[in-house]
Amino acid sequence: DSGVTQTPKHLITATGQRVTLRCSPRSGDLSVYWYQQSLDQGLQFLIQYYNGEERAKGNILERFSAQQFPDLHSELNLSSLELGDSALYFCASSVGEGNQPQHFGDGTRLSIL
Amino acid sequence: SQKIEQNSEALNIQEGKTATLTCNYTNYSPAYLQWYRQDPGRGPVFLLLIRENEKEKRKERLKVTFDTTLKQSLFHITASQPADSATYLCALVPFSGGYNKLIFGAGTRLAVHP
Repeated sequence: DSGVTQTPKHLITATGQRVTLRCSPRSGDLSVYWYQQSLDQGLQFLIQYYNGEERAKGNILERFSAQQFPDLHSELNLSSLELGDSALYFCASSVGEGNQPQHFGDGTRLSIL
Repeated sequence: SQKIEQNSEALNIQEGKTATLTCNYTNYSPAYLQWYRQDPGRGPVFLLLIRENEKEKRKERLKVTFDTTLKQSLFHITASQPADSATYLCALVPFSGGYNKLIFGAGTRLAVHP
């Protein structure tokens, strides 16, 4: 058990809808990272927060946004969903920034119908 | 273009042998490199981290090497066991970007047969 909790485990919705994925980091970890994993793209870095501030951005679509709250949990919001957004979304956390191992949750599987 | 390449074909080995997985990168200057294990339906699990000025790191049956001249990292599992069967991902952190971006390879699936 990594200590990182992601909810929900599965989400099925339709094109055009909006969903929110939630992540609770390991106790004591200040950094939260979001990744997307699809069969054809592998694991892609989306965005990172450290202690409530956005610190790094990957190829995150404008339809996607995230935030980290004062209690350090994070949410990833996906809107105007398209079929191609179907993927596993992982959250990871680490104690600090940069040169740190990351601890991953077991992901949210998003299916767009 | 920038690439991280791992063997896309599965590696099949016999129990007790040493498994060696390869990670090659192009047009990156990694500050350090990490290896993760991923089981089906689960998140990646951190295994080892090696810095760009280190040649080798060991942890129990695991060994990682890092050759910045060859632009390659090798990951070894000695005395392999069926429980080592999983997908292994290498990930590098480039010097640019504040050391916060992990860029993953596609992974190599390892199958250890009894």
